[in-house]
Amino acid sequence: EAGVTQSPTHLIKTRGQQATLRCSPISGHTSVYWYQQALGLGLQFLLWYDEGEERNRGNFPPRFSGRQFPNYSSELNVNALELEDSALYLCASSLVGLAETQYFGPGTRLLVL
Amino acid sequence: AQKVTQAQTEISVVEKEDVTLDCVYETRDTTYYLFWYKQPPSGELVFLIRRNSFDEQNEISGRYSWNFQKSTSSFNFTITASQVVDSAVYFCALSFSGSRLTFGEGTQLTVNP
Repeated sequence: EAGVTQSPTHLIKTRGQQATLRCSPISGHTSVYWYQQALGLGLQFLLWYDEGEERNRGNFPPRFSGRQFPNYSSELNVNALELEDSALYLCASSLVGLAETQYFGPGTRLLVL
Repeated sequence: AQKVTQAQTEISVVEKEDVTLDCVYETRDTTYYLFWYKQPPSGELVFLIRRNSFDEQNEISGRYSWNFQKSTSSFNFTITASQVVDSAVYFCALSFSGSRLTFGEGTQLTVNP
C-alpha cells in the first residue's frame, strides 16, 4: 500500500512569491493535515482538512491557505513568502475518527531567498 | 492548553547500550492520545506507537518499549540494545479529539558504533 506522497521534494522561491505544495493521502484516508517544521521552532500544526472542508487551523497568518480536492488530495498555498517561511512542510493523513493515527509523508523542503 | 515536554535535547550512546527517552505531557482532557514518532535524516516522520489515556498497559515491540504513567503524566520510550540505525530525532506527541498533534521539541539520539 502506498504511503502519503508529497510534491515537490524541494522548492526554492524568492521573497514575495507564492508557493504551492501538494499532498496525496493514503488510499482510504479522508483527513489531511499540514505541519510546518522550521529550524528552532519545532513541529507546528498548520491546517486540517476532512471531506473537503477546513476543520481546524493553527496559529498561522491567512497567507497560509489550502484546499482538499474530491479525491482527498490536498494543496497548501503560501502567499507573499517571507524568509521565515523556509521550513520542511509535512503532510499527514488519517482515517476519519477521533482516535486515528496520522501517517506522514516525506515532506517538502521550502527555501525562501 | 496542551503541552509536551521532552527535556533531553540530545542523547549520545554507544551501540548496545539501553537508552530511555523521556516525555512529559500536560492536558486538561480526560480522553487523549499519546504518540511517538521517529524522524530519520530523510525528514519523514515514522509512526512508532499510539496510546489512549485509558490504556496504561506498557507495551513492548522488539527492542522498543513504552512506559505510560498517568500519575506522573509521562510516556517514556526505551530502546534496548541500541543500534546505529536507531540514530534519529524522536518526537513525543499528544492529541485529543483526533485533530491536531501537539509535539514535543524532539530528542536527537545518536548511537555510535
